[in-house]
Amino acid sequence: KNEVEQSPQNLTAQEGEFITINCSYSVGISALHWLQQHPGGGIVSLFMLSSGKKKHGRLIATINIQEKHSSLHITASHPRDSAVYICAVRSNFGNEKLTFGTGTRLTIIP
Amino acid sequence: DADVTQTPRNRITKTGKRIMLECSQTKGHDRMYWYRQDPGLGLRLIYYSFDVKDINKGEISDGYSVSRQAQAKFSLSLESAIPNQTALYFCATSDWTGEGYGYTFGSGTRLTVV
Repeated sequence: KNEVEQSPQNLTAQEGEFITINCSYSVGISALHWLQQHPGGGIVSLFMLSSGKKKHGRLIATINIQEKHSSLHITASHPRDSAVYICAVRSNFGNEKLTFGTGTRLTIIP
Repeated sequence: DADVTQTPRNRITKTGKRIMLECSQTKGHDRMYWYRQDPGLGLRLIYYSFDVKDINKGEISDGYSVSRQAQAKFSLSLESAIPNQTALYFCATSDWTGEGYGYTFGSGTRLTVV
């Protein structure tokens, strides 16, 4: 079992729909990151969370430390949101290692 | 200019050749990393460096070496490339934000070994 599991692996939705991507992890963490990988390959950091909830524009990220689970929500989805969304966790054992999920490929249809 | 610049963006090389991937940053961050991404797998850490005199192996360092020429430059070398090193390679930097280490990634180098 991978330390970081994302679901779904692929998601196709219509423009305007509310999107939820889930991330579950099995280790104690100091922080969880949500990343966006554009079709051209570059990776952009969206959020870093250690507790609670963060919002940036139409994107909302939540984390439940007790349940070892995080969600990334996109409101009023748009075709430009089409990308791969990656969850990564940094363990609380003090090493430098980020453990990455395999990503969720999101496609928004106009 | 991008905060983290990787060159080249794409490279095709032959088995057995030596190849260097370069990374430079304007963030002023001390911490730099090289990751590799393969289809169906999460990014995996190859090497990381906390400052110019510090180099550490990651989880998949075999077949790779690195050089930290300056705070802003971190190069990854494949001494003798092999086909299973075909992958998308990312350089990243990180810095303390007050609540954790935030990361900035380059645009990636797509390497094909034939």
